[in-house]
Amino acid sequence: EPEVTQTPSHQVTQMGQEVILRCVPISNHLYFYWYRQILGQKVEFLVSFYNNEISEKSEIFDDQFSVERPDGSNFTLKIRSTKLEDSAMYFCASRGSRIGSSYEQYFGPGTRLTVT
Amino acid sequence: AQSVAQPEDQVNVAEGNPLTVKCTYSVSGNPYLFWYVQYPNRGLQFLLKYITGDNLVKGSYGFEAEFNKSQTSFHLKKPSALVSDSALYFCAVRGAAGNKLTFGGGTRVLVKP
Repeated sequence: EPEVTQTPSHQVTQMGQEVILRCVPISNHLYFYWYRQILGQKVEFLVSFYNNEISEKSEIFDDQFSVERPDGSNFTLKIRSTKLEDSAMYFCASRGSRIGSSYEQYFGPGTRLTVT
Repeated sequence: AQSVAQPEDQVNVAEGNPLTVKCTYSVSGNPYLFWYVQYPNRGLQFLLKYITGDNLVKGSYGFEAEFNKSQTSFHLKKPSALVSDSALYFCAVRGAAGNKLTFGGGTRVLVKP
């Protein structure tokens, strides 16, 4: 069964450093998402991406964040200058096309980001 | 704005007994409702959804959920719980015109043998 994969599983970085979190969505999916979950808190939406552009973003997704789909398979989240409060589990998700009437999002296993 | 409430942080149930995890929601327009389960050190795994049609929807692993429009609820149920059902359960909603999922805080289910 196709799965969303994410690398690395755990990333430790120092405050102020740039990090790139990587995701490989399910191959025929067209909608891509990033969510995060700070320890003990709700899963929060960050950004959605469709047709090579951001379709929606939350207040959390400020200028320090960016997303990219550099090729036909990868989907990345970049944090330019990490802060302590960016420490969280980051989940990538993907969804199929409207034609296929696929409403549910499929999530990867997450990348745990620790900013020290 | 859309929101989801899961009023119970934890639900304890004996194996073989029925399991219910509660969820209420708020969203503009028709809701699309989802349940996900998270096992330790794993991602969110899709269980079931309500989009339209029958109010009782069936999903993976014997789970079902009942959509109640008047009560704006979407409770998750399983007639006979297994120890392996012990996990963290999340309810989520999106509007029909929207894109993002809004999650509840999660309910930890503990099924005791």
